[in-house]
Amino acid sequence: GAVVSQHPSWVICKSGTSVKIECRSLDFQATTMFWYRQFPKQSLMLMATSNEGSKATYEQGVEKDKFLINHASLTLSTLTVTSAHPEDSSFYICSAIPLKAGNGNEQFFGPGTRLTVL
Amino acid sequence: AQSVAQPEDQVNVAEGNPLTVKCTYSVSGNPYLFWYVQYPNRGLQFLLKYITGDNLVKGSYGFEAEFNKSQTSFHLKKPSALVSDSALYFCAVRVYQGGKLIFGQGTELSVKP
Repeated sequence: GAVVSQHPSWVICKSGTSVKIECRSLDFQATTMFWYRQFPKQSLMLMATSNEGSKATYEQGVEKDKFLINHASLTLSTLTVTSAHPEDSSFYICSAIPLKAGNGNEQFFGPGTRLTVL
Repeated sequence: AQSVAQPEDQVNVAEGNPLTVKCTYSVSGNPYLFWYVQYPNRGLQFLLKYITGDNLVKGSYGFEAEFNKSQTSFHLKKPSALVSDSALYFCAVRVYQGGKLIFGQGTELSVKP
């Protein structure tokens, strides 16, 4: 149980285009999902906290208009990288906290999406 | 400020030997501590957590960790390392507000035959 999927697993796009990444909790509902960015062999950088039915909370330094987050249901959050540029190339990982989980419950992570912008 | 430190970028161990991956934290309030493992081009997999109770926590794949409040540490250990344990390991702490995880910088574990 507690499986989180991401789609696509990898994507290559041209500079200037927009890319949408989906994060789904497959066997549980999640009011809160998180989006992280990771550079090679580095730690995860939290980009934003996504709450179902409300606006996402972005971390300092993350451009809201560039990284659009939508959390329309209890099992789906999407991250759209708008007008992508080569510097946006990275590994994007989402995670989810099950509904009604206590604060001590672990987050469940998706397998990640490798974005390469040419 | 809340923070997590993993002082070693890399740990090298021979197969069969015990391994330790270090983690220290600095938070206000009671910490909820986690260890995750990441294999290349994969997401994070949960290993174990400390919430309360027994300071020695046992987790997946034979790993364990000991919570030491006085030293503010939560080192990951395994009695006998396997080559397949080679991966990137992250220590993380969650504080009450919002459930956000604060990650350490990661430690790359390399187990040689």
